[in-house]
Amino acid sequence: DIQMMQSPFSLSAFVGDRVTVTCRASQTISTDLSWYQQKPGKAPKLLIYAASSLQSGVPSRFSGSGSGTDFTLTISSLQPEDCATYYCQQSYSFPYTFGQGTKLEIK
Amino acid sequence: QVQLQESGPGLVKPSETLSLTCTVSGDSISRYYWSWIRQSPGKGLEWIGYIYYSGSTNYNPSLKSRVTISVDTSSYQFSLNLRSVTAADTAVYYCARDSRFYGSGLDSWGQGTLVTVSS
Repeated sequence: DIQMMQSPFSLSAFVGDRVTVTCRASQTISTDLSWYQQKPGKAPKLLIYAASSLQSGVPSRFSGSGSGTDFTLTISSLQPEDCATYYCQQSYSFPYTFGQGTKLEIK
Repeated sequence: QVQLQESGPGLVKPSETLSLTCTVSGDSISRYYWSWIRQSPGKGLEWIGYIYYSGSTNYNPSLKSRVTISVDTSSYQFSLNLRSVTAADTAVYYCARDSRFYGSGLDSWGQGTLVTVSS
């Protein structure tokens, strides 16, 4: 299985800050990477697919980049509603695997 | 807009079979893959497997010996059976639309259902 490793495990930032979450795959996955946002008690929500494509309806302050093994999710200007846990997921090979999550809090 | 809804027992006894159904509304079940994912505190998000409307499946090897996913296109439903459950199978189970054919990800999810394995 391909291992997905996210960092940091958690972070805290101010409203308006630029926030970056990283995800590293244990082997190359091209751009077959998605990012999800999950709020407590809710299902994950797709934010980014194919490493950098913004899912319809997702605010443009979210962006993704990377290819191969290293990927980044960036929130350009943090909003209070962005308080959530973020997960990366590879779909390059089966089984699909997810990162362990990054919990984002607002200071 | 597509909606997915999981249904099934919230409590299953050890060694028995966990059975869940996902009902799809708002879109054709015949145009996508359909996945099951589970989430437990100990293991995070775990992909269980997917099915295509044709019946073609792909399972996580870690669960393959115990899992069956089936589809009923006439009822717009797909189902998960997980046999010989233990406490380690306690989790929130989600169904999701898998848009891999369109180059996307798991783009629509059910709300999730908590299944507890306990006697």
